[in-house]
Amino acid sequence: NAGVTQTPKFRILKIGQSMTLQCTQDMNHNYMYWYRQDPGMGLKLIYYSVGAGITDKGEVPNGYNVSRSTTEDFPLRLELAAPSQTSVYFCASTPRPQAGEQYFGPGTRLTVT
Amino acid sequence: KQEVTQIPAALSVPEGENLVLNCSFTDSAIYNLQWFRQDPGKGLTSLLLIQSSQREQTSGRLNASLDKSSGRSTLYIAASQPGDSATYLCAVSANNNAGNMLTFGGGTRLMVKP
Repeated sequence: NAGVTQTPKFRILKIGQSMTLQCTQDMNHNYMYWYRQDPGMGLKLIYYSVGAGITDKGEVPNGYNVSRSTTEDFPLRLELAAPSQTSVYFCASTPRPQAGEQYFGPGTRLTVT
Repeated sequence: KQEVTQIPAALSVPEGENLVLNCSFTDSAIYNLQWFRQDPGKGLTSLLLIQSSQREQTSGRLNASLDKSSGRSTLYIAASQPGDSATYLCAVSANNNAGNMLTFGGGTRLMVKP
């Protein structure tokens, strides 16, 4: 199994540009999450989804948007990129957060200049 | 709001030493606690998952304990090796109305010197 995959691995954006970070999992997990990790810090939740068609905001949602049209895919959209969005972005999934571990993708390293 | 703290932020030890990493959390109403390893520039690798009803979990040279009532967990690494050098993150899952997201500590950067 591929697990959780993310593309691209690296990206440099200019201020004001937009892009979509892709996340796909092949484990049929209902719960999916987007986190960001700033240098030397832990991870903070941007958005999450508890199933296809259902999404909601996390701790730091401003400047981002998500959709969940299928169980497998959970893309994260950045509109009007800003330097404050320079970070490493991780996608994660779990079948049942109450009992199961979260599985993480390899991350996307984004720089906005 | 759940807060997770890890102490120390950085640790340097000689090879072969046994060591303990600490994690504390403010709200004891958790589902589980997970320890991760993160190598520089890489993603997160899950090391151990402890359910709220459990006291400890072991995997090889790693042993994680959980004291839910006091809001503490420790990760014990026996006979440390240079290959153990990485950042170790702990995270708790709770019924926090945000999809039971994980709340992370800031991590402990471990350096094991040969």
